[in-house]
Amino acid sequence: NAGVMQNPRHLVRRRGQEARLRCSPMKGHSHVYWYRQLPEEGLKFMVYLQKENIIDESGMPKERFSAEFPKEGPSILRIQQVVRGDSAAYFCASSPNQGDEQYFGPGTRLTVT
Amino acid sequence: KNEVEQSPQNLTAQEGEFITINCSYSVGISALHWLQQHPGGGIVSLFMLSSGKKKHGRLIATINIQEKHSSLHITASHPRDSAVYICAVRSPYGGATNKLIFGTGTLLAVQP
Repeated sequence: NAGVMQNPRHLVRRRGQEARLRCSPMKGHSHVYWYRQLPEEGLKFMVYLQKENIIDESGMPKERFSAEFPKEGPSILRIQQVVRGDSAAYFCASSPNQGDEQYFGPGTRLTVT
Repeated sequence: KNEVEQSPQNLTAQEGEFITINCSYSVGISALHWLQQHPGGGIVSLFMLSSGKKKHGRLIATINIQEKHSSLHITASHPRDSAVYICAVRSPYGGATNKLIFGTGTLLAVQP
């Protein structure tokens, strides 16, 4: 049973471009969480999704950021018109049910030049 | 003040020493997690606990719900234990959210 997979592992974008980060949860997991780790800072919650639904997006910046978890395929975190301040490690986690232990992916390290 | 506080922020130990990392939180929780992150690496979940004590190999985690405090112990520490250890709490069960609130981490360096 493969773990949580994220790709790409490293992503470089120029300011103004779009970044798409993908997360494939563990098999049988229908709950996905995205977290961001800014340089020299701790992890912060961004968004919690269940298949086709956003449950809690209280940690998402109001503009340029969006997330989805379609019926088929991976969860996508999309950042439009990236700025240098978006440079961070973005981690995805999944769980089989609400309240279960969350398993983390390896992260995507986004660098905005 | 952060909702989740860890101490110490940095810890250097000699190989073989017994190590304790502390976590205090100020919010109601349904569970507490201990996570491990190697520099530039991914995050590994070590424990999830809501009461009492759990043990896995040389790692022991305890939680006192009344005092809102948890500890992570490492016995017979080894250089490969060098990593950042992160405490995270889960917001109360039954709400719509299942998000984790993280401490800032404890950087552990175990010297041979």
